[in-house]
Amino acid sequence: GAVVSQHPSRVICKSGTSVKIECRSLDFQATTMFWYRQFPKKSLMLMATSNEGSKATYEQGVEKDKFLINHASLTLSTLTVTSAHPEDSSFYICSASSSIKDSLIYNEQFFGPGTRLTVL
Amino acid sequence: DQQVKQNSPSLSVQEGRISILNCDYTNSMFDYFLWYKKYPAEGPTFLISISSIKDKNEDGRFTVFLNKSAKHLSLHIVPSQPGDSAVYFCAASKASGTYKYIFGTGTRLKVLA
Repeated sequence: GAVVSQHPSRVICKSGTSVKIECRSLDFQATTMFWYRQFPKKSLMLMATSNEGSKATYEQGVEKDKFLINHASLTLSTLTVTSAHPEDSSFYICSASSSIKDSLIYNEQFFGPGTRLTVL
Repeated sequence: DQQVKQNSPSLSVQEGRISILNCDYTNSMFDYFLWYKKYPAEGPTFLISISSIKDKNEDGRFTVFLNKSAKHLSLHIVPSQPGDSAVYFCAASKASGTYKYIFGTGTRLKVLA
């Protein structure tokens, strides 16, 4: 089956620093990747949609200068939390999908294991 | 504006009995619906999906029912097992795959042995 990995799985940083989270599709080409955020005991909130080679589309209320998303290749997307503050502490999850018709996972989304960010 | 809602934050069921998890949505443009299971500090795991052209989809112990006129879907798990204990999220989309999913608020299921 399709595998999506995230790195790191867990990160603790000081307030004011920037943190980069990687999302990789290990065995397929992901034309689209999504970034979600989950607060404790809350739903998964979509932050942005990124298509390979294009600028990400951010959901209403998500600061694009705060959460920088790059999807430079078909297997890698990165989310950078810039100048992190304690309120950015959350569980960040990516998912990946392919619109390539001969892809084995055409039109399905697969989720990564998530990254726990704690900002002190 | 919560477009997808799960009104029961938690549910306890005896092992072997049926678990019924409910989900309501407001956007009539949604065309594709999914259920995910999630453990703490892990990504969601896909369980089952249904497109709006169907009203039922079954996969093993899991069955999803869709009532488009009521904008309501439900997940039935039978028989329930202790390993089913997790948080269940429904999600809705305007199409499958590369379209964004909107997740519900989640229901924590506890299956008692």
